[in-house]
Amino acid sequence: DAKTTQPPSMDCAEGRAANLPCNHSTISGNEYVYWYRQIHSQGPQYIIHGLKNNETNEMASLIITEDRKSSTLILPHATLRDTAVYYCIVRVDYTGANSKLTFGKGITLSVRP
Amino acid sequence: GAGVSQSPRYKVAKRGQDVALRCDPISGHVSLFWYQQALGQGPEFLTYFQNEAQLDKSGLPSDRFFAERPEGSVSTLKIQRTQQEDSAVYLCASSGTGSPLHFGNGTRLTVT
Repeated sequence: DAKTTQPPSMDCAEGRAANLPCNHSTISGNEYVYWYRQIHSQGPQYIIHGLKNNETNEMASLIITEDRKSSTLILPHATLRDTAVYYCIVRVDYTGANSKLTFGKGITLSVRP
Repeated sequence: GAGVSQSPRYKVAKRGQDVALRCDPISGHVSLFWYQQALGQGPEFLTYFQNEAQLDKSGLPSDRFFAERPEGSVSTLKIQRTQQEDSAVYLCASSGTGSPLHFGNGTRLTVT
């Protein structure tokens, strides 16, 4: 699976949009971009994933550049409960054993009051 | 229950003791994964089950680590003769066909 690069940390003000960047310059054509987050003392939580089109769900939006070498996770109105480590992961959507996720260090988002 | 359940939530073991960590996956999920997460690091893959078959154990750090899922549902991760470097959070995840992985909240193991 392709590696991803994320800044180690960022912060944003409560109520503002949080834009979390991720670089995946070696992504292959059949690899998806996945985002998970991990709140302190909890397991990772699935947020969203996409292949090449932008995606939106009740939690966030995922913007993938046209060349697919980078993406941005957008939390439109950050709250204090969004403070967490966010992981950007790319992988082929295999089933079975190859469906495992390979985590990096992620980006720590701190939402300030 | 609605999510992946792990027990115990916390476990303290003296060095050299054996421990067993339990995972109850989401009902009907075929795939089950175990991960190890050291402090300040991302989760690291340990092993994978498809139903009762252990198809990938490439991440198990030593032969002291053993996992089983005898009936294709509940899984147990066993660590024999625990060492201090085994101290970590052990995470279990399950997924159905084509669905994202869903994680439990983990078991925090402290070896003293």
